[in-house]
Amino acid sequence: GAVVSQHPSWVICKSGTSVKIECRSLDFQATTMFWYRQFPKQSLMLMATSNEGSKATYEQGVEKDKFLINHASLTLSTLTVTSAHPEDSSFYICSARDLGRDPIRDPNLSSYNEQFFGPGTRLTVL
Amino acid sequence: GQSLEQPSEVTAVEGAIVQINCTYQTSGFYGLSWYQQHDGGAPTFLSYNALDGLEETGRFSSFLSRSDSYGYLLLQELQMKDSASYFCAVRDRGATNKLIFGTGTLLAVQP
Repeated sequence: GAVVSQHPSWVICKSGTSVKIECRSLDFQATTMFWYRQFPKQSLMLMATSNEGSKATYEQGVEKDKFLINHASLTLSTLTVTSAHPEDSSFYICSARDLGRDPIRDPNLSSYNEQFFGPGTRLTVL
Repeated sequence: GQSLEQPSEVTAVEGAIVQINCTYQTSGFYGLSWYQQHDGGAPTFLSYNALDGLEETGRFSSFLSRSDSYGYLLLQELQMKDSASYFCAVRDRGATNKLIFGTGTLLAVQP
């Protein structure tokens, strides 16, 4: 259980075009999903927190008009990179939080692993 | 804000023990987690410390000292497949309880 998928796994696009990346929780409900960006040999940098039915919360320095996030259902969040430029080339990873396994809400949970990551999407902008 | 620092690279030989440190400055968090990431892959959860002390999970152990703002991941009986990047992370106490990652440590296991 607790599988998160991303589509596509890789994409190459021309500068100026838009790219949509999907993140799905396959076997659990996720009111909260997170989008990260990772450049080569660097850490995962949180871009935004996506909440089902409400506006995303963006981290400082992340342009909300450039990185559009939509969390339309409890199992799907999308990230659209608009007017992509070569500097947007990166590895984009989503994660989903399983409501049913949140140790903050249930301290009796013995295993703390309530945030599951997708396999990532490698974006190359030419 | 949250800031977690790790050594950038560590090298060790098969069968050895290696410790990856994580020092942090935070405004409050629920616990310290550790993740493993192979090149081009997704992070996978390894261990979690909610309280001070040592947590053991097979060959991996993790330690937390909140008073010292310090934690570490201990890997024993190193295998070649342990070559990967390792990240500490904290779940902060803000509205979104977001997971903030450390700078990451690239572990190279040599034969």
